This record gives sequence, C-alpha cells and structure tokens, in this order.
Amino acid sequence: AIQLTQSPSSLYASVGDRVTITCRASQGISDSLAWYQQDPGKPPKLLISDASNLQSGVPSRFGGSGSGTDFTLTISSLQPEDFVNYYCQQFNSFPVTFGGGTKVENK
Amino acid sequence: QVQLVESGGVLVKPGGSLRLSCAASGFTFSNYYMSWIRQAPGKGLEWLSYIDSTGASKKYADSVQGRFSISRDNAQMSLYLQMNSLRVEDTAVYFCARHWGGYSAYEPFDYWGQGTLVPVSS
Repeated sequence: AIQLTQSPSSLYASVGDRVTITCRASQGISDSLAWYQQDPGKPPKLLISDASNLQSGVPSRFGGSGSGTDFTLTISSLQPEDFVNYYCQQFNSFPVTFGGGTKVENK
Repeated sequence: QVQLVESGGVLVKPGGSLRLSCAASGFTFSNYYMSWIRQAPGKGLEWLSYIDSTGASKKYADSVQGRFSISRDNAQMSLYLQMNSLRVEDTAVYFCARHWGGYSAYEPFDYWGQGTLVPVSS
C-alpha cells in the first residue's frame, strides 16, 4: 500500500498567518491526491482534488500543489474557522490511503 | 441536496456481527461508486471497501477482507456494510462516502455521511 507521510502532525498559528502542510507519498501517484478538512465530530470535507483543483464553494485562500511524491496544502491567510484537522488522501491505487493528519491550532 | 445518512451502529461484543446502512438522497445513487471509511476515536481515516454503481465490483482493505461485506440496493438507494467477527480494534465511527464523478473508483470522496459509531467491547 502507498504510504502518505503528512507533516507537521500539528502546528500553531495565528489568524492571518500563511500555513503550509506537506504530504509525501511512498511512491509516485501522479496528481491523484486530495485534501480534506475535518472538524472534530464531523465528517471530512473535500477541499482539493487532483492535487490542485479547488472544490466548488471552497474559499480561495486554500491552495494545493505538487505531483509525483511531494504535495503541499497552503492556507494563505488563516481564518478562525480553519483551526481544525487536515488530511491528504491518495486515490492512485487501492487501497486508497490517508495521511496521518495535521492539527492546526491557535497560537 | 446530496445527503448520506448512516445507521446501525450499536455496542457489540467481540466476535459479534452488525450491519450498517447508509441511506442516500439528492442524487442518482445508481450512477455512483460508494465506499465505507472508518475513523477510530482520536485517530486518522481508514478506507475499508468500495462497490461499483451496479454492485458487480467490490474491493476491500486487508484489515477487513473476509470479515466485512459491502452491498447496495439501488432501488432503495441504500448502501450496506455487513461486519462479522468484530474485534475491539474495529471500534470506530463508520462513514459512507460517494466517489466524485461517479464513473470510477479512482476518485476522491466528495460527499460523506455524518457517521455511525460502532463500539466493540465485552
């Protein structure tokens, strides 16, 4: 199975900060990578598909980049509602796998 | 609007069985691949199984292969997960999710249910 290593596992930031989360795949996955946002106690919400395609309704402060094995989720200006968990997921091959998650906390 | 509502989660003893259901509405259910995904308390996400739009093709994670079985009833717009030989480590919130686009399993999950908790404990 393809392993996804997400880093950092947690970070502290403030409203207005620029935040970057990385996801590294154990083998090449082209651009078959998605990013999800999850509030505790709620289901994940798809933010970005195909590494960089922003889903409809997702604020433009979210952006994704990368291809192959290295990917990045960037939040350009952190908002209060963004202090939650983020997961990457590869859908290049089965079993599809998720990264371990990144918790964004308020400094 | 698209809605997925899971049900069936109850406390079960190790070795027991349970069937989860996921009721879909707001979209043409019979056109979409569907999956089950779980999340143990305080942990990350684990994909378990998918089924194609007709029910003919299914795939499972190694962790549940031979114990869990996915099925669907397109007329009832429902997805199911039959779970047998349950273990303590199967304790998790179980989500059903729709594959984006509908035509392939190799897509992210664009809609998720709220989840149903399955505690496995003696």
